[in-house]
Amino acid sequence: SAVISQKPSRDICQRGTSLTIQCQVDSQVTMMFWYRQQPGQSLTLIATANQGSEATYESGFVIDKFPISRPNLTFSTLTVSNMSPEDSSIYLCSVEEGLRTDTQYFGPGTRLTVL
Amino acid sequence: GQQVMQIPQYQHVQEGEDFTTYCNSSTTLSNIQWYKQRPGGHPVFLIQLVKSGEVKKQKRLTFQFGEAKKNSSLHITATQTTDVGTYFCAGTSGYSTLTFGKGTMLLVSP
Repeated sequence: SAVISQKPSRDICQRGTSLTIQCQVDSQVTMMFWYRQQPGQSLTLIATANQGSEATYESGFVIDKFPISRPNLTFSTLTVSNMSPEDSSIYLCSVEEGLRTDTQYFGPGTRLTVL
Repeated sequence: GQQVMQIPQYQHVQEGEDFTTYCNSSTTLSNIQWYKQRPGGHPVFLIQLVKSGEVKKQKRLTFQFGEAKKNSSLHITATQTTDVGTYFCAGTSGYSTLTFGKGTMLLVSP
């Protein structure tokens, strides 16, 4: 399976600032996803990022708050803008790959705390 | 929209006891997947079931997909402390994105 890395692994940020999270994959993949997981909770899909097109956002998530870039088939960024304490969460990127359609492989996550 | 419900939310067992988590969907699923997330870790893919009534085994883990493709279960025989973690089911229906259940947290006491 693909090897996925995320930067930063964790950060503590001040209210009102923005943080950009990077996701790097060691192979070319078509579909990349960004999830949010609040402590002890399930995974909530933020958006799907395909190379060469705008990200598709799920209900409750908007581009102004979570802008996403997907410049090539191995890299994506998610920015959490104008942060508030409610944005404190783990942010995970994932990819689909191989013959197992829909199956996803996750990066290690970015643990964000907003003060 | 599609909803995937999972029970129980939490289970604490003694090592050697069996464990089962159940997953139910509000719609017929194209496939069901199971993931395991260790404490402090990220979700790791375990298995995918596609066919109605399908049963798959991985060592002490048995996965089932219901005949109507709306429910699934994961059974662990003789739990070990290494089984600790949260088990998530996730399903897709048609062209929908993968929807995760809320997960079952398993604690195993030695």
